[in-house]
Amino acid sequence: DADVTQTPRNRITKTGKRIMLECSQTKGHDRMYWYRQDPGLGLRLIYYSFDVKDINKGEISDGYSVSRQAQAKFSLSLESAIPNQTALYFCATSDSLAGAYNEQFFGPGTRLTVL
Amino acid sequence: GQQLNQSPQSMFIQEGEDVSMNCTSSSIFNTWLWYKQDPGEGPVLLIALYKAGELTSNGRLTAQFGITRKDSFLNISASIPSDVGIYFCAGRAGSGTYKYIFGTGTRLKVLA
Repeated sequence: DADVTQTPRNRITKTGKRIMLECSQTKGHDRMYWYRQDPGLGLRLIYYSFDVKDINKGEISDGYSVSRQAQAKFSLSLESAIPNQTALYFCATSDSLAGAYNEQFFGPGTRLTVL
Repeated sequence: GQQLNQSPQSMFIQEGEDVSMNCTSSSIFNTWLWYKQDPGEGPVLLIALYKAGELTSNGRLTAQFGITRKDSFLNISASIPSDVGIYFCAGRAGSGTYKYIFGTGTRLKVLA
């Protein structure tokens, strides 16, 4: 079974709709992240959470919100989707107890299309 | 936001050939990671590098942490068709930060 799972894997929606992307992990990691991937660009950080009560904005948080429902669950919401939010979205996890290097492990991604 | 320069952007090679790609930054990094992303999947960690000059292998893959700490290299020996995918580097600036900066990726296509 996958350690980091994302649902849905694909989603097509219309401008103005509210969308939630979900991420679950069985790795026991305390840190979770949401990234966005666009063609020709590297992964860009949207939000990150170091524990259930900790939520932080990344470099491109405008238009997004997140919720850390439990240590294993981190969801990303688009309150009112717009076409330039069409992208591939990845959840990632890391373990603060694994040393100082904080290697991140990624889910399979959600392909979101906003029409 | 800051991004790493990764080259080449894409490459076609014949099966059996060796492949080299690199990542450069204007900033000094303390950690370099190399990931592979298969079509329709998330990035998978291949190799992690923790100190300047370090050379680490994972099967046919070898990665090096540049001595200047501003670059890293990935080599794939005797490429096979399943090596196809996008290879990303990621660098971290300091021990006190969680944040990784990701490269733009090298798309590798292997011709059988």
